[in-house]
Amino acid sequence: DVKVTQSSRYLVKRTGEKVFLECVQDMDHENMFWYRQDPGLGLRLIYFSYDVKMKEKGDIPEGYSVSREKKERFSLILESASTNQTSMYLCASGGTGNSGANVLTFGAGSRLTVL
Amino acid sequence: QKEVEQNSGPLSVPEGAIASLNCTYSDRVSQSFFWYRQYSGKSPELIMSIYSNGDKEDGRFTAQLNKASQYVSLLIRDSQPSDSATYLCAVNRNNNDMRFGAGTRLTVKP
Repeated sequence: DVKVTQSSRYLVKRTGEKVFLECVQDMDHENMFWYRQDPGLGLRLIYFSYDVKMKEKGDIPEGYSVSREKKERFSLILESASTNQTSMYLCASGGTGNSGANVLTFGAGSRLTVL
Repeated sequence: QKEVEQNSGPLSVPEGAIASLNCTYSDRVSQSFFWYRQYSGKSPELIMSIYSNGDKEDGRFTAQLNKASQYVSLLIRDSQPSDSATYLCAVNRNNNDMRFGAGTRLTVKP
């Protein structure tokens, strides 16, 4: 089974702190994604990466950056955390299904609280 | 207009009934469509994918796609309490970009 591992399940940070959320997948997938999930808003795409060192902005990239130095690892960085970034963060890895389309497997999520 | 729209619900059906979940999308070039199920406190998991117009059946689940109307649906037959979850519609605009709807919360009452 594909495994997507997120480094921290729960984090509490203070406003202005730099926050790193790490995600590792073990299936050699090209595509990796970071979403945030808030009640009533569903999953909103922050950034995705389709190859090492490649990244694309999603719908809500402001206040976030990402890093993909190795194929299996995709990191989300909050340069200066703010209270409106309190959320559940989900990492996903995209494998190619039978049709060639993305099939996502999600990590367990990282619940970030910014005080 | 949101790229992927779903009725937020909640949708409540009695055990044994058919649950019908709907989704519309805005980008006509979208090619691949998915339904994910998310139990409370858990991550989404894939339950159905559909790529061409028509119906696709998998056990009690049927996905329906109408590209002309930009509409995707999921039918759950013989609904069980264990089907109670939030169902997320996802659309793959190209092979690298996956967008989700806000989800529909389904409750199946015994």
